[in-house]
Amino acid sequence: KAGVTQTPRYLIKTRGQQVTLSCSPISGHRSVSWYQQTPGQGLQFLFEYFSETQRNKGNFPGRFSGRQFSNSRSEMNVSTLELGDSALYLCASSLGAFNQPQHFGDGTRLSIL
Amino acid sequence: SQQGEEDPQALSIQEGENATMNCSYKTSINNLQWYRQNSGRGLVHLILIRSNEREKHSGRLRVTLDTSKKSSSLLITASRAADTASYFCATDATNKLIFGTGTLLAVQP
Repeated sequence: KAGVTQTPRYLIKTRGQQVTLSCSPISGHRSVSWYQQTPGQGLQFLFEYFSETQRNKGNFPGRFSGRQFSNSRSEMNVSTLELGDSALYLCASSLGAFNQPQHFGDGTRLSIL
Repeated sequence: SQQGEEDPQALSIQEGENATMNCSYKTSINNLQWYRQNSGRGLVHLILIRSNEREKHSGRLRVTLDTSKKSSSLLITASRAADTASYFCATDATNKLIFGTGTLLAVQP
């Protein structure tokens, strides 16, 4: 069974641009969550989608958004990029509930110049 | 804000020794999970312990949970160089996973 796939692995952008990251979950998994990982703030929850609906949201500004498609693939978008958005963005999938293990991709490393 | 705080922040041991890391959290939980992250990679699920369980084993891993103290510990026995990684606890108190600050474990061969 293929694992969680995130594309691209690395991305360099400049301030003010926008970016879209992609996540393909494990086949059969309907829940996809996104996390931001930085040295200063650690791992922070962005949002979670289940069956194309955002079920939970963390404390991030509206510049961070996401969506999930009918095949459970998910994208997250960050608009008007700021230097502080430089981070490793991780996607995780699970069958559906938070009492189940989350399966993580290797992330997208986003650098803002 | 972080739900969990891990202690110690960093730990260096010799191969064959045991490694113990602790996690404290702030609110009531449904379950607590431990994850491992190798440098530059995603997180790998290690073990899940439910709030009504006190101890759980998986191979060389032993996890304990004390809900009265809002704390958990992860013990790795007979450590190997391949165990070198960051270890995170995560709680799901509010239907989302909140991760701790992590313990960086270095196992010297």
